[in-house]
Amino acid sequence: GIQVEQSPPDLILQEGANSTLRCNFSDSVNNLQWFHQNPWGQLINLFYIPSGTKQNGRLSATTVATERYSLLYISSSQTTDSGVYFCAVLNTGANSKLTFGKGITLSVRP
Amino acid sequence: EAQVTQNPRYLITVTGKKLTVTCSQNMNHEYMSWYRQDPGLGLRQIYYSMNVEVTDKGDVPEGYKVSRKEKRNFPLILESPSPNQTSLYFCASSLIKLTGELFFGEGSRLTVL
Repeated sequence: GIQVEQSPPDLILQEGANSTLRCNFSDSVNNLQWFHQNPWGQLINLFYIPSGTKQNGRLSATTVATERYSLLYISSSQTTDSGVYFCAVLNTGANSKLTFGKGITLSVRP
Repeated sequence: EAQVTQNPRYLITVTGKKLTVTCSQNMNHEYMSWYRQDPGLGLRQIYYSMNVEVTDKGDVPEGYKVSRKEKRNFPLILESPSPNQTSLYFCASSLIKLTGELFFGEGSRLTVL
């Protein structure tokens, strides 16, 4: 099956810093999403982005499907950005489930 | 408000006592799915449903049952829970198959003693 690798596995930032989170995948996809799991365990949709670039406030994402990667940018980080960030993909030709990466644990310190 | 609602959010039970985790969505989505999340193992799919009366096994279906009698509801049934089913469970839904965005419920934290 498709492999999803996220990097770095852990990230510690000082409040106000910027960061880039990466998601690499091993095959073509027709669905890619970024999620944030907050400290209470809730999975929050950040972006549905199978290709192209989107922005939402301090967050933006870019997927280059032909090169099999996606990037999530966090600017001016805040302590509330802490948590785990997951990338999930749907392999082209599949339709039953998203395959999740292992996640990136982000800690933003005040 | 568009949402996926799970109940209960927290539950402690004992081995062998049947339980049901309910899941309901108000977005008229065709696709629904259950995942469990465990430390070191990530998110794994238990069952999914493409539409009413259509269900299929995911990666880890053993010990679980589901039903999809109505479009909005997709309950997860543990007939005889065991301690290895202690986990964080998520229900999710999407409009049609997975061609669009997948939305998750808030999660149900289950402990089986």
